[in-house]
Amino acid sequence: DQQVKQNSPSLSVQEGRISILNCDYTNSMFDYFLWYKKYPAEGPTFLISISSIKDKNEDGRFTVFLNKSAKHLSLHIVPSQPGDSAVYFCAARWTGTASKLTFGTGTRLQVTL
Amino acid sequence: DVKVTQSSRYLVKRTGEKVFLECVQDMDHENMFWYRQDPGLGLRLIYFSYDVKMKEKGDIPEGYSVSREKKERFSLILESASTNQTSMYLCASSQGDRALNQPQHFGDGTRLSIL
Repeated sequence: DQQVKQNSPSLSVQEGRISILNCDYTNSMFDYFLWYKKYPAEGPTFLISISSIKDKNEDGRFTVFLNKSAKHLSLHIVPSQPGDSAVYFCAARWTGTASKLTFGTGTRLQVTL
Repeated sequence: DVKVTQSSRYLVKRTGEKVFLECVQDMDHENMFWYRQDPGLGLRLIYFSYDVKMKEKGDIPEGYSVSREKKERFSLILESASTNQTSMYLCASSQGDRALNQPQHFGDGTRLSIL
């Protein structure tokens, strides 16, 4: 049973436009959410996170939004750049565990010129 | 900067062999993790450890074991490798204090092929 879902396997966006990556979760016991970026042949790199007590967190071009009632989070990248082309994973941490994360299946973002 | 180092980038082994994957982190992190990444399945947790000599099963521990004799080193062991264990293996570490909300930091992965 997939507790963290990324329903779009891929997304293509023009350079300069906004990229919106979505993630849904089913477990209301998740208390901390993260986004990672992964290039081929490299490990995932932490991008941005949000605690369940917040609904928005911003870091430069990256903003994460959390809608707890809908059990939905999204990552906005504005403006999108060709270097943003990568696979993006969302992840969620369960309350009461030792930092164990559950990952989604990933969305491949391609930013075109 | 946190550095998580996995001993091999690519590894080819035969079915039935005992395989060791090594991971070392240099940030004195309490928590260490082993994942495998497969197309369409994302990252799945195999085992994790929150202290030396402590280990807990993740979501897919069957066919694997782990060892953590020193804080900085976490080893994944395939007891008798099988072809369905061909995958990308990723090691990660994080600080032990949950209140800090610190992320996990990953190594570059080991692509393991079992023939």
